[in-house]
Amino acid sequence: SAVISQKPSRDICQRGTSLTIQCQVDSQVTMMFWYRQQPGQSLTLIATANQGSEATYESGFVIDKFPISRPNLTFSTLTVSNMSPEDSSIYLCSVLEGAITGELFFGEGSRLTVL
Amino acid sequence: AQTVTQSQPEMSVQEAETVTLSCTYDTSESNYYLFWYKQPPSRQMILVIRQEAYKQQNATENRFSVNFQKAAKSFSLKISDSQLGDTAMYFCAFMRAGSYQLTFGKGTKLSVIP
Repeated sequence: SAVISQKPSRDICQRGTSLTIQCQVDSQVTMMFWYRQQPGQSLTLIATANQGSEATYESGFVIDKFPISRPNLTFSTLTVSNMSPEDSSIYLCSVLEGAITGELFFGEGSRLTVL
Repeated sequence: AQTVTQSQPEMSVQEAETVTLSCTYDTSESNYYLFWYKQPPSRQMILVIRQEAYKQQNATENRFSVNFQKAAKSFSLKISDSQLGDTAMYFCAFMRAGSYQLTFGKGTKLSVIP
């Protein structure tokens, strides 16, 4: 399976600032996703990162707040903009391992705490 | 829209015993996948087992097996011979075929007691 690396692993941020999370995969993958896991909660899909075009956002998430880049088939970034304490979450990158099996694999996540 | 329900927020099991985690889902789709993911304290989401809706045979992976009841829209996970390393949050998830997007349940926190 693909090896997924996320940076930073964790960070403490000040209200009003922005932070960019990186996701690097050791092989080319067709589909990459960004999920959010709020404290004690389940995972919610933020968006699908599309290579060479704008990300596809789920209901409740907007590009101005969560801009996403995907310059190639192995790398993506998620920026959390103008952060507030409500943005304190784990953000996880996920990749589609097999189009037929539908298996997704996840990075270790980035834990953000906003003060 | 799909929904996934895990009715057991927390469970515990003695080491070497068997435990079953419950999951129900609601969908109008006919072709889909179901998954169980494990999230230990390290936060890494690990795929435990998957099931294709069109397959009647229940999936098994070593000590992990599922009881898939399509008509009842039920997808429970059985862990046999529980080990301390099984302590984790377990999430049931649904994927409509071709969408590659997961809908997760709220999770069940499983503790394996020595």
